Amino acid sequence: NAGVTQTPKFQVLKTGQSMTLQCAQDMNHNSMYWYRQDPGMGLRLIYYSASEGTTDKGEVPNGYNVSRLNKREFSLRLESAAPSQTSVYFCASVPGQGAYEQYFGPGTRLTVT
Amino acid sequence: QKEVEQDPGPLSVPEGAIVSLNCTYSNSAFQYFMWYRQYSRKGPELLMYTYSSGNKEDGRFTAQVDKSSKYISLFIRDSQPSDSATYLCAMSITGGFKTIFGAGTRLFVKA
Repeated sequence: NAGVTQTPKFQVLKTGQSMTLQCAQDMNHNSMYWYRQDPGMGLRLIYYSASEGTTDKGEVPNGYNVSRLNKREFSLRLESAAPSQTSVYFCASVPGQGAYEQYFGPGTRLTVT
Repeated sequence: QKEVEQDPGPLSVPEGAIVSLNCTYSNSAFQYFMWYRQYSRKGPELLMYTYSSGNKEDGRFTAQVDKSSKYISLFIRDSQPSDSATYLCAMSITGGFKTIFGAGTRLFVKA
């Protein structure tokens, strides 16, 4: 099993450009999450999908959109990137059905200039 | 006040020491408790999880939950330089979909 995979690993964008971060899991997990991690701020939840077909806002959703394409895939889109979105982005998945532990991907390092 | 408080450290110990990492929380509804290890420039890796109160042991790692004090701990015995990382506590409400993370404690184990 590959677990949780994320692409790309690194990305540099100019202000105003758009991009989509991809995430996939092969563990048949029900729930998927997107976090950003900034120095001194810890992990902050952007959006999550409790199950296929549903998405909900987290703590810091402004400037982002998500799509739960199917049970395996959950993408995060930045429509018009801003320097404040420079961060490391992590995708995670949770088995569900009474199990709550999160399994993380390797992350995407995004710089917006 | 944050729901989960964790001392950011850094914590520096000699190789072989027993390390104690701690978190306090304010929401008594938390029932599911987790510890993650994060190496520099990597994703968080699940170390251990426990449900409700009590202890759980896995090799050199022991997780403790004291719900009456709203306090959780991770003990690392015979610490190794390879244990140098940031450790994050996390907790969830049974039936909920959100996990609350502590800010993480940076640990350095010196050879």
